[in-house]
Amino acid sequence: AQSVTQPDIHITVSEGASLELRCNYSYGATPYLFWYVQSPGQGLQLLLKYFSGDTLVQGIKGFEAEFKRSQSSFNLRKPSVHWSDAAEYFCAVHRTGAGSYQLTFGKGTKLSVIP
Amino acid sequence: DTGVSQDPRHKITKRGQNVTFRCDPISEHNRLYWYRQTLGQGPEFLTYFQNEAQLEKSRLLSDRFSAERPKGSFSTLEIQRTEQGDSAMYLCASSLATSGETQYFGPGTRLLVL
Repeated sequence: AQSVTQPDIHITVSEGASLELRCNYSYGATPYLFWYVQSPGQGLQLLLKYFSGDTLVQGIKGFEAEFKRSQSSFNLRKPSVHWSDAAEYFCAVHRTGAGSYQLTFGKGTKLSVIP
Repeated sequence: DTGVSQDPRHKITKRGQNVTFRCDPISEHNRLYWYRQTLGQGPEFLTYFQNEAQLEKSRLLSDRFSAERPKGSFSTLEIQRTEQGDSAMYLCASSLATSGETQYFGPGTRLLVL
């Protein structure tokens, strides 16, 4: 079964600093990969996704992520964090070609931003 | 495009009561998903519909849970004889089969069982 690991439960950065959130997945083939963001008490908003092609994908709000097949990773980055980025971030994978459409999520990384 | 909507946003109930949640997907989306999210965890898949057919169910979906999508549009999730362990956020998502399986989520229904 596929699994997603987000090794950092909580990260604190200063406003204006760069950010990298880690995500590793376990799956035999290349899955579809997603990053979602969740503000307190809210649903999930899609930041970006990777299906195929260019391994560096751009998303909304200035976020980007890089797929590295050799490391089974899909890390999320932002060059300069804004206070409004404080939220919880979830990495998710979708198993391709198996007739199953469920997403498997990591446990999330909570981001705090120091003004 | 109004997005995925869920109703109610919050529900407080007593143990043993039945509750029903509603999800309205993005209008042209033919796939609809239910997930459950407990505190400190990522969402966990419960069930999936393509049009009105329920095609996949997680083992998390005990026999106290039932989901329907009678006309292939909105969906309901009912929990019978609620237990305190059912307290969670219930998230609905929808997708269009041709969109590369990008799921768009609603705001969720927060359930508290006393």
